[in-house]
Amino acid sequence: GENVEQHPSTLSVQEGDSAVIKCTYSDSASNYFPWYKQELGKRPQLIIDIRSNVGEKKDQRIAVTLNKTAKHFSLHITETQPEDSAVYFCAASRVGGTALIFGKGTTLSVSS
Amino acid sequence: GAVVSQHPSRVICKSGTSVKIECRSLDFQATTMFWYRQFPKQSLMLMATSNEGSKATYEQGVEKDKFLINHASLTLSTLTVTSAHPEDSSFYICSAIYGQGYGYTFGSGTRLTVV
Repeated sequence: GENVEQHPSTLSVQEGDSAVIKCTYSDSASNYFPWYKQELGKRPQLIIDIRSNVGEKKDQRIAVTLNKTAKHFSLHITETQPEDSAVYFCAASRVGGTALIFGKGTTLSVSS
Repeated sequence: GAVVSQHPSRVICKSGTSVKIECRSLDFQATTMFWYRQFPKQSLMLMATSNEGSKATYEQGVEKDKFLINHASLTLSTLTVTSAHPEDSSFYICSAIYGQGYGYTFGSGTRLTVV
């Protein structure tokens, strides 16, 4: 089955800096890669996703890149703000009915 | 759209008792639902996949006799934790696929505490 590795587990940056979180996946058939932000005790909140037919996707300060050959994808947050502080999870799945498999999460702290 | 309602949000039960958690899709038909467990400061771990009208598929290491999953209709899936023990205390959350297969929606989660 799918296995998703996520690094780093914790990340501390200064406000205004960029933050990068990286994930690798094992199942070459996976073709959907979302990123979630989760507050304690709440459901995961989708912040951006990418499909395997695309190499990069951007939404304002957030971007995701995908390298299918290397089986890794990354989340890039630019101009970080204190409110970006949260736990971020990457995930992977095969479109068509399989479950999302999550990475272990990254706790991002943005200090002002 | 694509809302999944999960109840209860919090439950405290005594060791040895059973607890049922419900996930209901409100505005779409959920052929497939997924159940996850999340321990504090850890990731969401897939427990099982339930398909309407058929038996659930459990992940390795998840006891199917302890975590009973029923998906009897296109809008309702339930997870029953039987003979609960303190180590079953966790955050349980359901998820369903909607749309053309790229959309995943999540319930609001259930915080289970076994005392």
